[in-house]
Amino acid sequence: GENVEQHPSTLSVQEGDSAVIKCTYSDSASNYFPWYKQELGKRPQLIIDIRSNVGEKKDQRIAVTLNKTAKHFSLHITETQPEDSAVYFCAAYTGTASKLTFGTGTRLQVTL
Amino acid sequence: ETGVTQSPTHLIKTRGQQVTLRCSSQSGHNTVSWYQQALGQGPQFIFQYYREEENGRGNFPPRFSGLQFPNYSSELNVNALELDDSALYLCASSPPGGSREKLFFGSGTQLSVL
Repeated sequence: GENVEQHPSTLSVQEGDSAVIKCTYSDSASNYFPWYKQELGKRPQLIIDIRSNVGEKKDQRIAVTLNKTAKHFSLHITETQPEDSAVYFCAAYTGTASKLTFGTGTRLQVTL
Repeated sequence: ETGVTQSPTHLIKTRGQQVTLRCSSQSGHNTVSWYQQALGQGPQFIFQYYREEENGRGNFPPRFSGLQFPNYSSELNVNALELDDSALYLCASSPPGGSREKLFFGSGTQLSVL
């Protein structure tokens, strides 16, 4: 089955700096890669996603890149703000199994 | 537009008991998935329901079962509760038309098994 690894597990950046979170996946059949943000005690919220036929996608301060050959994808957050502090999860979707496989999460702390 | 709602928000049970968790999907969404999130971990897929049928299942034992109703709402039932079942149970719904992978999560039910 699919296996998703996520690094780093914790990340501390100063306000205004950039943050990068990296994930690798194992199943070449996975074709959809979303990123979720989860604040303490709240629901995971979809912040950006990318499909396997696209290499990069950007939405304001957030961007995601996908390298299908290497089976890795990354989340980039620029000009970080304190409200970006949360746990971020990457995931990979395998259509044949109808499921998202999540990484173990990255706790991002943006300090003033 | 109403988002995904789950009930109850918190639940305490003892080992061996049975529990039923409920989920109302987002308006217009016809696919419901259930995930278990242990503390400090990513969500783990339990199963998905589409058109009232189970449409995929993760690595969970048969004592985890579910239902989907004609209005697309869903239930997760867990029998013979074990201590390791303590977790946040998340329901997610997906829109129709080939976007079943796009999950919109509810706030979850926090289950504690004592």
